[in-house]
Amino acid sequence: GAVVSQHPSRVICKSGTSVKIECRSLDFQATTMFWYRQFPKQSLMLMATSNEGSKATYEQGVEKDKFLINHASLTLSTLTVTSAHPEDSSFYICSIFKNTIYFGEGSWLTVV
Amino acid sequence: KQEVTQIPAALSVPEGENLVLNCSFTDSAIYNLQWFRQDPGKGLTSLLLIQSSQREQTSGRLNASLDKSSGRSTLYIAASQPGDSATYLCAASGGGADGLTFGKGTHLIIQP
Repeated sequence: GAVVSQHPSRVICKSGTSVKIECRSLDFQATTMFWYRQFPKQSLMLMATSNEGSKATYEQGVEKDKFLINHASLTLSTLTVTSAHPEDSSFYICSIFKNTIYFGEGSWLTVV
Repeated sequence: KQEVTQIPAALSVPEGENLVLNCSFTDSAIYNLQWFRQDPGKGLTSLLLIQSSQREQTSGRLNASLDKSSGRSTLYIAASQPGDSATYLCAASGGGADGLTFGKGTHLIIQP
């Protein structure tokens, strides 16, 4: 069964609003979770590393004030896209590492 | 910074052919290398993972090789089938606590 659950799988939001994506580790505690983004016909790019109980580490070029990451428990990390714009429309996917890497199902965000 | 390149970007072959997908990476100090499959509008399916100490991994009709010294990995698909049509991504990991660096993928079409 699934090791990582991501929700919602698809979401449409209006420009200027915020949207939250959840990533849950179902089988074990995950002190570290990773968030990736994939624009159409592009590869997946690591956005940030989410660390339980501390601030996330963002990759160069990713706005930390726009993409808020909260990892308040060992089984849940959330990514909030604030003041969303159409150019934020993308596929967002999370992963965890426990001996190997497990990915969530991904979330398709469309900003209209 | 690790960079991963996949060649070719797209490939279309008749059913039944054996084919090779190529992946190269710039930093040979990898922890492991992983091949994924991504179907349109879907998330990632892990195909094969090769640890840095390994030379190859096999699963069914798939065989992946790793040559760290030359910074290359190949994915060999035997007796291709239309159901193999998808985008194949390779990703390098610098360590368990690091995220993955993905290539842009090879879009594969197997013609019936």
